[in-house]
Amino acid sequence: ILNVEQSPQSLHVQEGDSTNFTCSFPSSNFYALHWYRWETAKSPEALFVMTLNGDEKKKGRISATLNTKEGYSYLYIKGSQPEDSATYLCAFPNDYKLSFGAGTTVTVRA
Amino acid sequence: NAGVTQTPKFQVLKTGQSMTLQCAQDMNHNSMYWYRQDPGMGLRLIYYSASEGTTDKGEVPNGYNVSRLNKREFSLRLESAAPSQTSVYFCASSEWGGGTEAFFGQGTRLTVV
Repeated sequence: ILNVEQSPQSLHVQEGDSTNFTCSFPSSNFYALHWYRWETAKSPEALFVMTLNGDEKKKGRISATLNTKEGYSYLYIKGSQPEDSATYLCAFPNDYKLSFGAGTTVTVRA
Repeated sequence: NAGVTQTPKFQVLKTGQSMTLQCAQDMNHNSMYWYRQDPGMGLRLIYYSASEGTTDKGEVPNGYNVSRLNKREFSLRLESAAPSQTSVYFCASSEWGGGTEAFFGQGTRLTVV
């Protein structure tokens, strides 16, 4: 079982503030790193699939960075809005097996 | 655009009963997955199928069996349901393994009493 860890487990953000959180994964045999957004009562949806060390991806106000040598990825939310409230999951594939972290639950307060 | 379709959406079983969760995708994806979601534990991989004709155990396979019926369909069977299998089950698919994003079905909420 791969050790994919996310921190913090949850965080509360004031509307308009920016925030970030971490995904840690094994640095050996890196293949890819996924980020998903999971809104309450819905299914997880992919945000990014990152494959290169130093990679940066952006979708609207959400961006992610990747450090494969030290085994971590940051997800950033700029100017948080209530619709950003969700659980953010990272996933680390080992060959065809896709293992998820427990997630960071973000609550944006208006 | 159906994507990944799971049936049923809700199910209540008595301990010892059996059932099969169905999953079908229409994106011509090669890899398919079954996960269970429990509070505080995120998504845990039960079984996966890298491609048509292959299946492999994930992190929590005990009490489950799977069948990759064809490229589109991947079913999950509970032979003798136990209360510990009360969970929300998600099916997912991806074009090829972990190098491409996974698409999820809407989930099946299963309660075993």
